[in-house]
Amino acid sequence: GAVVSQHPSRVICKSGTSVKIECRSLDFQATTMFWYRQFPKKSLMLMATSNEGSKATYEQGVEKDKFLINHASLTLSTLTVTSAHPEDSSFYICSARDHNYEQYFGPGTRLTVT
Amino acid sequence: GNSVTQMEGPVTLSEEAFLTINCTYTATGYPSLFWYVQYPGEGLQLLLKATKADDKGSNKGFEATYRKETTSFHLEKGSVQVSDSAVYFCALQETSGSRLTFGEGTQLTVNP
Repeated sequence: GAVVSQHPSRVICKSGTSVKIECRSLDFQATTMFWYRQFPKKSLMLMATSNEGSKATYEQGVEKDKFLINHASLTLSTLTVTSAHPEDSSFYICSARDHNYEQYFGPGTRLTVT
Repeated sequence: GNSVTQMEGPVTLSEEAFLTINCTYTATGYPSLFWYVQYPGEGLQLLLKATKADDKGSNKGFEATYRKETTSFHLEKGSVQVSDSAVYFCALQETSGSRLTFGEGTQLTVNP
């Protein structure tokens, strides 16, 4: 089946710094990728929809200047958490949509901001 | 708007017990319905899906039937194993390829 990777799998950063998370579709092209955030023992919250070659569409309440999304190619989308704070600590999961409109999820990135 | 409601967990069962995790939904149209499974520290894996009323999705001994009249998509398994311990998410998708709306997730623990 289709494989989606995320890098890094875990990252610890200091408050005030920026962190970039990569989401790659390894064996298919994805014009659309989705970024989710998952709080402990909670469901997934859609943050934004990332479209290749155009601006991301953010969900209500998600700060676009804080969570920068770049979908630079058909196999790569990046999420940059800028000026991270402890409350940004979370599990971030991406999914990528193939040409059949099937969505495949990445393994997630655990971000801890100290 | 669309929403998904799952039975609250956690659910703890003994091995070989019968499992039911309830899921009901609210949607304006005729969505596709999904069950995803998340093992500790990992992302989500698609377990099964159904795209229209009365369809039954099945995989690895799990089943769920799309019931339009009760707007439900309950997950069942006849005999659970320790390896089934995970968090299970019910989700809907209004149109093919669109955003997924997830339920709160149900933690399942199966004891030997």
